[in-house]
Amino acid sequence: DQQVKQNSPSLSVQEGRISILNCDYTNSMFDYFLWYKKYPAEGPTFLISISSIKDKNEDGRFTVFLNKSAKHLSLHIVPSQPGDSAVYFCAATLWGNTPLVFGKGTRLSVIA
Amino acid sequence: GAVVSQHPSWVICKSGTSVKIECRSLDFQATTMFWYRQFPKQSLMLMATSNEGSKATYEQGVEKDKFLINHASLTLSTLTVTSAHPEDSSFYICSARTSGDQETQYFGPGTRLLVL
Repeated sequence: DQQVKQNSPSLSVQEGRISILNCDYTNSMFDYFLWYKKYPAEGPTFLISISSIKDKNEDGRFTVFLNKSAKHLSLHIVPSQPGDSAVYFCAATLWGNTPLVFGKGTRLSVIA
Repeated sequence: GAVVSQHPSWVICKSGTSVKIECRSLDFQATTMFWYRQFPKQSLMLMATSNEGSKATYEQGVEKDKFLINHASLTLSTLTVTSAHPEDSSFYICSARTSGDQETQYFGPGTRLLVL
């Protein structure tokens, strides 16, 4: 059973527009969520995170929204840039020394 | 941010040989390191969790005798793929977690293994 789901395997957005990547989770015990960006043949790069006590966290062009009642989070990128083209992984974890649970990723293509 | 390196970045070996992959935290002490494997078009699959100075904890379905993990110091963990076979060809990624941040993991650049 997949605890973290990214139902859209791919997304195409025009440069300058907003990119919205979605993630759903099933385990209500998760209390910390992260987004990673991954280029081909490279390790994931940490992008932004959010604790379950918040519903929004913003860092530059990146904003993560958390809806605990819906067990849903989303990553907004605005404005989107061609360099944002990558695979984005959503991950969730419990407080403490537990491993991350990853979604399958969404491939974002930003078209110039 | 914290930097994690992996060596080698890619390796090609013959079937039946063993391959060692190193994961180093360059500017912080990593009390816990994780090893992942990524298959094409799939998510990262956690293989094992290793804490410095203790035995690694393997995920279900991962053969501990085949994937030997050693976390001998706070900055180095190694993964040895023993008697590698073509089906072991994959992208192996390590990550490290600092003692001061129990949530964020910092990933290495990955090692691509091709077994002929």
